[in-house]
Amino acid sequence: EVQLVESGGGLVQPGGSLRLSCAASGFTFSNYAMSWVRQAPGKGLEWVSGISASGDTTYYPDSVKGRFTISRDNSKETLYLQMSSLRAEDTALYYCAKVAPGKWFFDYWGQGTPVTVSS
Amino acid sequence: EIVMTQSPATLSVSPGEGVTLSCRASQSVSSNLAWYQQKPGQAPRLLIYGTSTRATGIPARFSGSASGTDFTLTINSLQSEDFAVYYCQQYNVRPLTFGGGTKVEI
Repeated sequence: EVQLVESGGGLVQPGGSLRLSCAASGFTFSNYAMSWVRQAPGKGLEWVSGISASGDTTYYPDSVKGRFTISRDNSKETLYLQMSSLRAEDTALYYCAKVAPGKWFFDYWGQGTPVTVSS
Repeated sequence: EIVMTQSPATLSVSPGEGVTLSCRASQSVSSNLAWYQQKPGQAPRLLIYGTSTRATGIPARFSGSASGTDFTLTINSLQSEDFAVYYCQQYNVRPLTFGGGTKVEI
């Protein structure tokens, strides 16, 4: 059974940093691209980063480019999201999602970890 | 960036009825369109990918179709567990983008 368990969320001041983690199990982690998707309170879904299976290639939308860094440790089967220069608009529930084979849609999701950016 | 527009924002229906949810892409996404279901307090769940292929374990009452850049999710004979928010997502080009969602309520 595929499991994705996020951690690391919390309250951070504007301009601060936070690192999220996602522990994966139930599949061969190193074979699949992964992503982070966020959902602001009461709002829709927003893709915020993606990484290839090997970790060599990363992708970001303009809204977080230069502030967020996605990475992975395949030996630990863990995905990370380093967030810096955080803004109030980054407040959201952050989901880790497994990318389907060969196509960038999401076949499994974690339960999310909440991030609140506020002074 | 490809903008995905879902309509309507809310659908009020009764159990047993059928519904059609719409999703329009601002430019071609080929058949690279997925649908997700999200219930309150839960993570999204993949329903449909490749416009019309049901994900593993998804009942046959869910179906997807397309006409050009207009995509449709049809749910036949709504069950109580189908009341949720539904999102479309294009994965033809990055940035990957989602529609704003359609809430199906009683």
